[in-house]
Amino acid sequence: AQSVAQPEDQVKVAEGNPLTVKCTYSVSGNPYLFWYVQYPNRGLQFLLKYITGDNLVKGSYGFEAEFNKSQTSFHLKKPSALVSDSALYFCAVRETGGFKTIFGAGTRLFVKA
Amino acid sequence: DAGVTQSPTHLIKTRGQQVTLRCSPISGHKSVSWYQQVLGQGPQFIFQYYEKEERGRGNFPDRFSARQFPNYSSELNVNALLLGDSALYLCASSLERVNQPQHFGDGTRLSIL
Repeated sequence: AQSVAQPEDQVKVAEGNPLTVKCTYSVSGNPYLFWYVQYPNRGLQFLLKYITGDNLVKGSYGFEAEFNKSQTSFHLKKPSALVSDSALYFCAVRETGGFKTIFGAGTRLFVKA
Repeated sequence: DAGVTQSPTHLIKTRGQQVTLRCSPISGHKSVSWYQQVLGQGPQFIFQYYEKEERGRGNFPDRFSARQFPNYSSELNVNALLLGDSALYLCASSLERVNQPQHFGDGTRLSIL
């Protein structure tokens, strides 16, 4: 069965510092991996995806994620955090050829000015 | 182009009642998925529909049902409402290929009294 773990309930960084939000996954076969962001009282917004190819994936708003097959991880990163990045971040996984997307429990990011 | 639209935005029901939630996908998107997001948790997969057929179902009781119409819009029905059904119900649409990201509506906030 596929699963996603986001080991940190919250991450706090200062504006201008780099940020990392962690995600590990478990699937049988090759995964499709996604990151989404959710602002208060809104739906989820797509940030980036990994399907195949380069392990470093670049996405929206300066975010990127690194796929590590041996560690089954897909950590979200940004070189310089903004206060406006403060939100709830979800990692998600789908098995190749599957229809069901599994989301992690979410990590709340706080960026302090 | 309009994004995914859901109606109503908020709904208050009492235990035992029935509710219908509606979703209009992005134009050209043939796949619609429904998720339940309880406060403090990630979205939980309920259903996926494609070309008016159910493609997959999550671990939800038979009180939950859905359908997709010829114009690809969708309805989620929940019967015999329980207090535990209180949640944000999210609809997401995507292009037919499974490796494509999902586009979410802002959800329907359902409160059960």
